[in-house]
Amino acid sequence: QVQLQESGPGLVKPSETLSLTCAVFGGSISSNWWSWVRQSPGKGLEWIGEAYHSGATNYDPSLKSRVTISVDKSKNQLSLRLTSVTAADTAVYYCARHIAIRGMRGFDYWGQGTLVTASS
Amino acid sequence: EIVLTQSPGTLSLSPGERATLSCRASPGLSSNYLAWYQQKVGQPPRLLLYGASNRATGIPDRFSGSASGTDFILTISRLEPEDFAVYYCQQQQYGTSPLYTFGQGTKLEIK
Repeated sequence: QVQLQESGPGLVKPSETLSLTCAVFGGSISSNWWSWVRQSPGKGLEWIGEAYHSGATNYDPSLKSRVTISVDKSKNQLSLRLTSVTAADTAVYYCARHIAIRGMRGFDYWGQGTLVTASS
Repeated sequence: EIVLTQSPGTLSLSPGERATLSCRASPGLSSNYLAWYQQKVGQPPRLLLYGASNRATGIPDRFSGSASGTDFILTISRLEPEDFAVYYCQQQQYGTSPLYTFGQGTKLEIK
């Protein structure tokens, strides 16, 4: 059973950098694509970006200039860096594993999420 | 960008009833690239269907999906108490930007 666990500071000051990690248990980080998704309080889901163990990444265009997602194979974990945060970045941040079956896709495993508040 | 519009915003039904949730894609979307998720309060989303109609592992067969043109339907044949939650559709069309977008969600509440 694959389990994902996000960790990182729950409070980040405006203009500073948000850094989160997602540890993968029960599976290999090298076997799938992985994404970060966030959800502002009381709002819907927003995809941030994805990464593969080869180093390949894709980002939401609206966040691309501020986001870096990477895979650390030695630690079996995924990382997220978001620079120059504002109050609008306050959200629950989830990591998620991709599946691809006969060309069809989805996010089949999710972490429990971690709330990050951008405030001074 | 592919925009997904879900309707209704809120659906009020009773256990045992049939639920029909809609997701419309603009400008259009192959059914291979549409997934549905269920999210309960305080929990992460749970994958229900991928490829518009394929149930994910462990999903009961009362959940089904269909597609017609740009319209995608999630049907819950007979509502159980644990089905009351928020439902999101998601598109994953290759070559689009952003690669993944979600609908705004439909809240299924007990009447």
